[in-house]
Parts: sequence; C-alpha cells; structure tokens
Amino acid sequence: QKEVEQNSGPLSVPEGAIASLNCTYSDRVSQSFFWYRQYSGKSPELIMSIYSNGDKEDGRFTAQLNKASQYVSLLIRDSQPSDSATYLCAVKVAGNQFYFGTGTSLTVIP
Amino acid sequence: DTAVSQTPKYLVTQMGNDKSIKCEQNLGHDTMYWYKQDSKKFLKIMFSYNNKELIINETVPNRFSPKSPDKAHLNLHINSLELGDSAVYFCASSQRGQGLAGQYFGPGTRLTVT
Repeated sequence: QKEVEQNSGPLSVPEGAIASLNCTYSDRVSQSFFWYRQYSGKSPELIMSIYSNGDKEDGRFTAQLNKASQYVSLLIRDSQPSDSATYLCAVKVAGNQFYFGTGTSLTVIP
Repeated sequence: DTAVSQTPKYLVTQMGNDKSIKCEQNLGHDTMYWYKQDSKKFLKIMFSYNNKELIINETVPNRFSPKSPDKAHLNLHINSLELGDSAVYFCASSQRGQGLAGQYFGPGTRLTVT
C-alpha cells in the first residue's frame, strides 16, 4: 500500500461548480498535510496546508482533515478554467520524512 | 530574480552516459532537495541537504550522487544512465524546519535517456 493515495482522475467539473479532491494516507502518525497544484509542464506550488482536524479555508479553497479516517480533501469552490491542473497531496510523517500522492488531474470545463 | 533555478532545462542523452544537473537558490534557504517525477506524475523525494549536510537519502541507486558545495547549491550527478532514469527532476529549497510548508520548487529538468 502506498503511503499516500489519490484518485488519478481525470476529474471534470463545469465552471462554477465545486471540485472535490480526495487523499488518504496510511501512516497514523502523519503530522502535516499539504496540497500542491501543478500546471502541465510546470513545477508544483503549495496552495494549502493543514495541521489539525477540521476545515481550513483560504479564498475559494478549503482543506478538510480527518485524522481518525486518515483522510484529507481539498474543495475548490466556484471552479475556474484556470484551476485546471494536477493536484498533489503530500503528507509529512515523523522526522524529515514526507510523501506525495500521484496527483489528481482536474479539468474545469468552461 | 529566479528563486530556484536549474540547468539544463532539457537533457537528452544516451544510455551509459554520465550527466549532471545543477541547482541554485537565492532565497537564503538552508535546506535543498532533489525530487524525481515520473511519467505518471508520481513525485518522490531523492535527497535533502541541510546546510551542506545530507539529511534525507531515500532508496535511490548509488549511481545518483548529490553534491552541495555550499548551502545555495545542490547538484545531482548521475552515472551510467539507464532508460528508467528518464523523468523530470525537480530541485527545491526551504528554510530549515519548514519542510513542505515552505518549499519552493525549481522549474524542473526533463531528462530523456535513449
């Protein structure tokens, strides 16, 4: 089992809809959770981080963490075509170890 | 003004060759990383250096050798290149202790081994 798992997609949503991206992780002592966005041919960029259970909102983005279920998600409200990208979930475990998921490809259809 | 830069951007070479990728950051960060991203977008950390000291060394063939001449530079040398080494290699940096929370990635080097 991989440390971090994501549906590879592609996930397609119409413009203006809510896009929901999910991530599960296997290590129960995982400490910190991150969402990166990667446009095609570009490098990953950090868009959200979350450290405790519950929701964290930043503009149109909401990260949700449920440590009991080992689940972290990213909601994108009012999706725009410019949100079309691959979204990578990353998890930091003890020490300096961290792992990335394989990413979910999102396409927002105008 | 580029924060994290890598050279070259593209590298095409034949099996068996030895090649290097260079990385430099001008952010004043203490920690630098090398990642490999395969064709399925799986991003895996290879190495991490903190102030020229190796702190993460994942299971990577010993044909890969990082070198950090100073804390602003982390180069990656690859010996005896194989087809499976074809990937995009990203360099990244962060302030000490920030890890993923404050990591800046370089533009990537697309390595193609033929």
